[in-house]
Amino acid sequence: AQSVAQPEDQVNVAEGNPLTVKCTYSVSGNPYLFWYVQYPNRGLQFLLKYITGDNLVKGSYGFEAEFNKSQTSFHLKKPSALVSDSALYFCAVRTGFQKLVFGTGTRLLVSP
Amino acid sequence: DTEVTQTPKHLVMGMTNKKSLKCEQHMGHRAMYWYKQKAKKPPELMFVYSYEKLSINESVPSRFSPECPNSSLLNLHLHALQPEDSALYLCASSQDGAYNEQFFGPGTRLTVL
Repeated sequence: AQSVAQPEDQVNVAEGNPLTVKCTYSVSGNPYLFWYVQYPNRGLQFLLKYITGDNLVKGSYGFEAEFNKSQTSFHLKKPSALVSDSALYFCAVRTGFQKLVFGTGTRLLVSP
Repeated sequence: DTEVTQTPKHLVMGMTNKKSLKCEQHMGHRAMYWYKQKAKKPPELMFVYSYEKLSINESVPSRFSPECPNSSLLNLHLHALQPEDSALYLCASSQDGAYNEQFFGPGTRLTVL
């Protein structure tokens, strides 16, 4: 079955430091991978996606993600974290034509 | 307009009530989705409509009844819900196709008493 795993429930980082939120995938065939962010009591906002092409994908709000086929990973990164980046981050994989399956989520806490 | 709107924001209902959740988008998307999200959990897919036809039902209990009156609107009719159905209900839309990201509404926070 197609799935993604987010091994960290929470990531803590100081403002101004680089951040990484980890995601690994398990799919048969080509993976279509997505990152979303959710602020408290809000819906999900799309950050970026990997379909094919360059392994480094740039997205919204200064985020980027690196697709690594050999390590089956799609980690989310940002060079310099902001307090306002504190939120819940979900990695997701397309499992069927219209089906998206989400990881368990990682809470990012950026301290001032 | 790049928004998905959902009404109401909050809903409290008894187990014998009938209520409806509404979702609207004006992005020309032909796929629309309902998700259920419990606290601190990922969203779980409930239904998918493609070109106004139900294409996926993830074995959702019949007390949840989706409806897509036109390409911009998606409803979720609720009847005889249980307290465990309390959750955030998210609507999303996308261009039809495997590569396209979904745009989410802010959700309706449902409490069943």
